[in-house]
Amino acid sequence: DQQVKQNSPSLSVQEGRISILNCDYTNSMFDYFLWYKKYPAEGPTFLISISSIKDKNEDGRFTVFLNKSAKHLSLHIVPSQPGDSAVYFCAASAGNTDKLIFGTGTRLQVFP
Amino acid sequence: GAVVSQHPSWVICKSGTSVKIECRSLDFQATTMFWYRQFPKQSLMLMATSNEGSKATYEQGVEKDKFLINHASLTLSTLTVTSAHPEDSSFYICSALQGMNTEAFFGQGTRLTVV
Repeated sequence: DQQVKQNSPSLSVQEGRISILNCDYTNSMFDYFLWYKKYPAEGPTFLISISSIKDKNEDGRFTVFLNKSAKHLSLHIVPSQPGDSAVYFCAASAGNTDKLIFGTGTRLQVFP
Repeated sequence: GAVVSQHPSWVICKSGTSVKIECRSLDFQATTMFWYRQFPKQSLMLMATSNEGSKATYEQGVEKDKFLINHASLTLSTLTVTSAHPEDSSFYICSALQGMNTEAFFGQGTRLTVV
């Protein structure tokens, strides 16, 4: 049972435009959500997070939106840059557990 | 952010041998460390949670006798793949939690190839 889903395995965006990566979850107990970026042969690096008490969190070019009723979150990157090309994972955790459940990842390619 | 160092970054071993992977938190004490495995084109799969000084908690389907985890100190956790087989070839990643912070810091990962 995949509790965190990223239904788009890949996304291609032109430099300067907005990249929108989507993530859906099924477990209503999740209350903390994170986005990680991963380059090949490296560990994921933390990008941005959001608590379930918020619906938006912004950090520079990155904004995460959370729609609890739809159990959906999205990561917006604007403007997109070639260096943003990587695999992006969303992750979720529930309550007092620090265990992260990851989505399957979306490969973003930003072309000039 | 905090630094988590994983060693080695890649290793090739013969089938039937054992391989140890180290995960160290360099500038903080990690009461909890996690071990993940990533298959090509697949998500990060949590293998086990290790807490300093206690036995690791393994996820369903992960063989605890095959993937030995030791969390001997607040800065070091090790994963030993025993009697490795080609199907164990994968990318293994550790992460560490700094206290109650829910942001996990990841190691660089270890590419294991069993031949």
